[in-house]
Amino acid sequence: ETGVTQSPTHLIKTRGQQVTLRCSSQSGHNTVSWYQQALGQGPQFIFQYYREEENGRGNFPPRFSGLQFPNYSSELNVNALELDDSALYLCASRFGPGPQSSYNEQFFGPGTRLTVL
Amino acid sequence: AQTVTQSQPEMSVQEAETVTLSCTYDTSENNYYLFWYKQPPSRQMILVIRQEAYKQQNATENRFSVNFQKAAKSFSLKISDSQLGDTAMYFCAFHYSGGGADGLTFGKGTHLIIQP
Repeated sequence: ETGVTQSPTHLIKTRGQQVTLRCSSQSGHNTVSWYQQALGQGPQFIFQYYREEENGRGNFPPRFSGLQFPNYSSELNVNALELDDSALYLCASRFGPGPQSSYNEQFFGPGTRLTVL
Repeated sequence: AQTVTQSQPEMSVQEAETVTLSCTYDTSENNYYLFWYKQPPSRQMILVIRQEAYKQQNATENRFSVNFQKAAKSFSLKISDSQLGDTAMYFCAFHYSGGGADGLTFGKGTHLIIQP
């Protein structure tokens, strides 16, 4: 059983550019969530995908978008990058949703460190 | 909206000591789940322990236990016989149990340092 993997590990972009981050879910997991973790802060929920559809979103603007593929892997796209987008982006997978699925452990990837100059 | 507060930015204890990390939260929901996650320098977040709000019994996992006080909205983590490998950032997190479409709400974290 492979864990959650993310690519790339590090990325440097300039303001105004677009970026795509990738996540491969743990085997058997159908739900993927993305989080933004600024330096010295706790992760903040961006959105969640279940069966290729976004079914939950945090307080992030529309320039943060995503995709989930039939194999449950996922992408996070950020358009018009801003300096404040510099952060560690974490992907987490679990089996869900459903009334009890919030209790299911979320397995996190190692993250992608994005730096916007 | 839920909020999670961790009031201790950093704590340092000697190896083998017991340490308690504090967490309070605010919610109007009655059914929810609470978690403690550990984030070592390698960055990969790992689940330490979890608690169902409707269960009065405190969760335990080996050296890790929680003190869950629902009325006070408090969820502290106790680490017994602390080890050097426990050095990490610890995050308290809340998850509403209404279908699972919301993400985890995290606190700002406590940096725990175990001294040899």
